[in-house]
Amino acid sequence: EIVMTQSPDTLSVSPGERATLSCRASQSVSSTLAWYQQKPGQAPRLLIYGASTRATDIPARFSGSGSGTEFTLTISSLQSEDFALYYCQQYNNWPLTFGGGTKVEIK
Amino acid sequence: QVQLVESGGGLVKPGGSLRLSCAASGFTFSDYYMSWIRRAPGKGLEWVSYISSRGTTIHYADSVKGRFTISRDNAKNSLFLQMNSLRAEDTAVYYCAREAAAGGGWFDPWGQGTLVTVSS
Repeated sequence: EIVMTQSPDTLSVSPGERATLSCRASQSVSSTLAWYQQKPGQAPRLLIYGASTRATDIPARFSGSGSGTEFTLTISSLQSEDFALYYCQQYNNWPLTFGGGTKVEIK
Repeated sequence: QVQLVESGGGLVKPGGSLRLSCAASGFTFSDYYMSWIRRAPGKGLEWVSYISSRGTTIHYADSVKGRFTISRDNAKNSLFLQMNSLRAEDTAVYYCAREAAAGGGWFDPWGQGTLVTVSS
């Protein structure tokens, strides 16, 4: 099983600042990586797939990068609606696996 | 619009059974692969099970293999998860999710989820 490790667990950021979230795979997953956002009481929402392709209607301030085992989700200028939980997911191998999540909170 | 609505969650005793349903609308259900994914209280997301568009290919997480059964009824635009021999650690919100593109592996959209609580 491919283990996905996200860091940090919690990221405290002021509105308007840049947030950088990391995701590491225990073995190479090429570019088969997705990012999701989840707010309390809501379903997860797809942000990025293919490591760097924004999903439909996702604002340009969200960007993904990386390949192999190291990936990054960057939110260029945090808006109030961006404070949430973020998960990465690999889909290179069965079982599909998610990272433990990074909580982005208001500083 | 594309919509997934789960139902069937509730409180069940350890060792009991429950059947979850997911009603799909707004897209051609029979064209898409589907999965169940769960989130236990205070934990992250865990993929549970996958079924191909015609139901010919199925995968399970090791944690549920032999206890859970995924199925679908394309005529009724519905996805199911039969859960048997439930354990406390199966307590979670269960989401159904559409694989965004055939063979893609990422999920969009997700349903709102249904809560399963396993407790005596």
